[in-house]
Amino acid sequence: KQEVTQIPAALSVPEGENLVLNCSFTDSAIYNLQWFRQDPGKGLTSLLLIQSSQREQTSGRLNASLDKSSGRSTLYIAASQPGDSATYLCAVRPGGTSYGKLTFGQGTILTVHP
Amino acid sequence: EPEVTQTPSHQVTQMGQEVILRCVPISNHLYFYWYRQILGQKVEFLVSFYNNEISEKSEIFDDQFSVERPDGSNFTLKIRSTKLEDSAMYFCASKRGQNTEAFFGQGTRLTVV
Repeated sequence: KQEVTQIPAALSVPEGENLVLNCSFTDSAIYNLQWFRQDPGKGLTSLLLIQSSQREQTSGRLNASLDKSSGRSTLYIAASQPGDSATYLCAVRPGGTSYGKLTFGQGTILTVHP
Repeated sequence: EPEVTQTPSHQVTQMGQEVILRCVPISNHLYFYWYRQILGQKVEFLVSFYNNEISEKSEIFDDQFSVERPDGSNFTLKIRSTKLEDSAMYFCASKRGQNTEAFFGQGTRLTVV
C-alpha cells in the first residue's frame, strides 16, 4: 500500500528566504505526483503536476523535482512571501488500475513572517 | 478559468439524517472523485467515477455512501444515515484524463451533531 510522508510537518521562515519542502513515497511505481496548496478551511489549489517520466516542473517561483527511483519529490519556493503561508500537500497517483485516484501526504504547514 | 464548484459550503445535520453533497465538475472532464478530510488528518480517497459508474472505491465508502451523476453536469455524494464520525470536509475533484491534473472544489464542511 502506497504511503506518502511529508517533512517537515511545519516550517516558519522570514520573508525572502528560499525554502524546500520534502515529500517521500514508499512505492516508486507511480504515474505522477501533484503538489497542492491548502489555505485554512479551504479547498486544494493545484500548483504543479510532474509525470513519472519528468524530473522537474516550474511555475513562477515554484520548482518541483521528482526522483521516482528513490521515492522522493521536493518543492522549492524561491523568495518566499507572507502570502505563501499555507499548508502544502503532495499527492501521488499510484501505479496499477487506480483510475487516477490520489494518495496524499499529511502536509507541511508553512508560515512566512514579514 | 474553469473551476469545480461545490454546494453547500457548510452543512449541519443530525445523526441518522441523509445528506446530499453536490458538485459541478469542470465541463470537459471525464473522471470524477470524492475525497474527505477529517480535521487534522490526511485527505483520503473515497470513490472515483467514470463513464457513469463507480470505477474504484475505498474501504471507507461503504453501503451508507452512494454517488450519482444525475444530469450530465452535477455529481453528487449521498450519505444515507449520517454518523458523528462522518463529520469532515468533503472535496469533489475532476480530471480530463487519468494522468492529467486534478482540480478540486472548495469543499463542503459537514458537521454531524
